[in-house]
Amino acid sequence: DAGVTQSPTHLIKTRGQQVTLRCSPKSGHDTVSWYQQALGQGPQFIFQYYEEEERQRGNFPDRFSGHQFPNYSSELNVNALLLGDSALYLCASSRVYEQFFGPGTRLTVL
Amino acid sequence: SQQGEEDPQALSIQEGENATMNCSYKTSINNLQWYRQNSGRGLVHLILIRSNEREKHSGRLRVTLDTSKKSSSLLITASRAADTASYFCATDASGGSNYKLTFGKGTLLTVNP
Repeated sequence: DAGVTQSPTHLIKTRGQQVTLRCSPKSGHDTVSWYQQALGQGPQFIFQYYEEEERQRGNFPDRFSGHQFPNYSSELNVNALLLGDSALYLCASSRVYEQFFGPGTRLTVL
Repeated sequence: SQQGEEDPQALSIQEGENATMNCSYKTSINNLQWYRQNSGRGLVHLILIRSNEREKHSGRLRVTLDTSKKSSSLLITASRAADTASYFCATDASGGSNYKLTFGKGTLLTVNP
């Protein structure tokens, strides 16, 4: 079992650009959640996808959007990047209670 | 917003000693979980304790939960250098299929060999 995988590992963008991050859930998991973790902080919930629909959303602007595919994999899109979007983006998959996290994508916005 | 607050923010101990980290939260919860994170990488799930449980053990880990005080503690016994990491508590207030974790800022544990 490969666990939760994310791509890419690292990404550097400039302000105003758009970025897409990808996540493949653990085998058998149908729910994917995305978190943003700024340096020195705990992860903050962005949104959660289940059955290809956004089921819950945290306090993030509409510049953050996502998608879930029929195979349960998911994408996180961020438009009009700001310097403050620089963070580690974590994907977590789950079926019932326990969430399994991927290694994250480190996004740097210059 | 962050619901959990870990205490202390940083903890430095010697190998073999016990490490205790505390977590306080604000709202009613369905369960509380502890995670470990090494050097800004992915989070590793350590243990989950439900709101109707008071204590749980897993290997060298012991977690307690006091819902009346809205607090939890994580005890790592006989610590090892490999335990050096950041530890986060996370609460689930939604329950059921609407599952969302709210994390604290974490405790940075350093175990010196």
